[in-house]
Amino acid sequence: QSALTQPASVSGSPGQSITISCTGTSSDVGSYNLVSWYQQHPGKAPILMISEVNSRPSGVPDRFSGSKSGNTASLTISGLQTEDEADYYCSSYTTYSTQVFGTGTKVTVL
Amino acid sequence: EVQLVESGGGLVQPGGSLRLSCVGSGFRFSRDWMSWVRQAPGKGLEWVANIKQDGSQKYYVDSVTGRFTISRDNAKNSLYLQMNSLRGEDTAVYYCGRDGLPAGIDLWGQGTLVTVSS
Repeated sequence: QSALTQPASVSGSPGQSITISCTGTSSDVGSYNLVSWYQQHPGKAPILMISEVNSRPSGVPDRFSGSKSGNTASLTISGLQTEDEADYYCSSYTTYSTQVFGTGTKVTVL
Repeated sequence: EVQLVESGGGLVQPGGSLRLSCVGSGFRFSRDWMSWVRQAPGKGLEWVANIKQDGSQKYYVDSVTGRFTISRDNAKNSLYLQMNSLRGEDTAVYYCGRDGLPAGIDLWGQGTLVTVSS
C-alpha cells in the first residue's frame, strides 16, 4: 500500500494550463477507473474535484479535467486562476479493496 | 445543511486509546460507505479505513490493522474509530468522509486532532 507518486510542486502563470501526474501500479491506478482528485487549501478539509478519472462533481469548474493512461493518472487545470493555488492529491481504489492517496502536489500560481 | 462533525480528538500517551466520533446530518447516512482519512502535521493525506453501509465490510490500511476498529450506528447517524495501542506516528488530524464508492469522498468533516505524546 505505497502512496501514489506525484510531483512535489507545479507552477504556472494565470491563464496557463498545468498538469499534475499521479503514478501508481497495476494494483491500483492501472486496475480500475477509480481515480479521484482532491484540492486542499491550508488548514481546510479536502474538496473532491474529480472522481472516476474524469467526472466533475457539481460545482467544480470545467477548467479542471482528468485522464488516465496505464498506471498514470493526470489532472489538468486550464486557465489557471489565483484561487487554484493549493495542494492537490490523487487517490485510487486498490485490488485489496482499500484506497491509497498520492504524495501530494503544491500548485503555485506565479 | 449537509455536514459531518468529528469529535473525540485530544492528547493521549503512547500505548493509550482514543475513540473518535463523526455525526452526519442533512443526508441519508445509512446509504453511504464512510471513511476515515488522516493527515499528520505538514504531511499528506492517508486513507485509514472504510465501512460499508450496513457495517458488513470493513477495510484498513496496513499500519493500523489490528489496532484500529471502524464501526457505525446508522440509527444515530454516527461513525466511529476506536484507536488502541496508539503510537507517535498516529499523531494527525483525522477526517471522516462520506465515501461515494466508486465516486470518491464527496463530503468531509472539519477534522479532529489526535496527538500521541508523553
